[in-house]
Amino acid sequence: QSALTQPRSVSGSPGQSVTISCTGTRSDVGTYDYVSWYQQHPGKAPKVMIYAVNKRPSGVPDRFSGSKSGNTASLTISGLQAEDEADYFCCSYAGFYIFVFGGGTKLTVL
Amino acid sequence: QLQLQESGPGLVKPSETLSLTCTVSGGSISTDSFYWGWIRQPPGKGLEYIGIIYYSGITYYNPSLKSRATISVDTSKKQFSLKLSSVTAADTAVYYCAAHFLVAGYFSIDYWGQGSLVTVSS
Repeated sequence: QSALTQPRSVSGSPGQSVTISCTGTRSDVGTYDYVSWYQQHPGKAPKVMIYAVNKRPSGVPDRFSGSKSGNTASLTISGLQAEDEADYFCCSYAGFYIFVFGGGTKLTVL
Repeated sequence: QLQLQESGPGLVKPSETLSLTCTVSGGSISTDSFYWGWIRQPPGKGLEYIGIIYYSGITYYNPSLKSRATISVDTSKKQFSLKLSSVTAADTAVYYCAAHFLVAGYFSIDYWGQGSLVTVSS
């Protein structure tokens, strides 16, 4: 399984919206509605922000939303806040209890 | 609230075997809902799935690491472990243990350990 493709970096000003893409293949993102997104602050463990493409765990602000079209999933963060500055990783189920991650995107809040 | 904590040597020599253990607290390791897994992150790089184990002992591995990785579970100690053989410098990474909630409609990695940096060097 190859890693999912994410942009290396995105940026936005406070209050704006940003979207991070995650491109896979028919074998993972394109087949399964099990894409999740993780936020990682420096030196910290990742935290799940979105699961099953567009579901938010309890406690995650509704500024975070997910979607999927074909082989590409997306994470949108609206109303950017300084605390959103972090690395974001996507993850897709690829069948047979195998998972594949994206390379990560660094979000900078200007 | 589940808590996971990795333990093991921080330095391993090339060609030797890396061994890490994850201790689970705050809940049962013998649960239907969670699979217990290992994920690693080389310095400055992305996450890589290593594999998972069910409390019954069933395992699934990343095909790229399958020949070198072994995950086992000890339910009496509420621990699961990773062994990675024939390590090279490319195996230097922060290794996370994690709880995968693999229930239909979910499939998320809900709980993570703090991570354990393992450096492969002579």
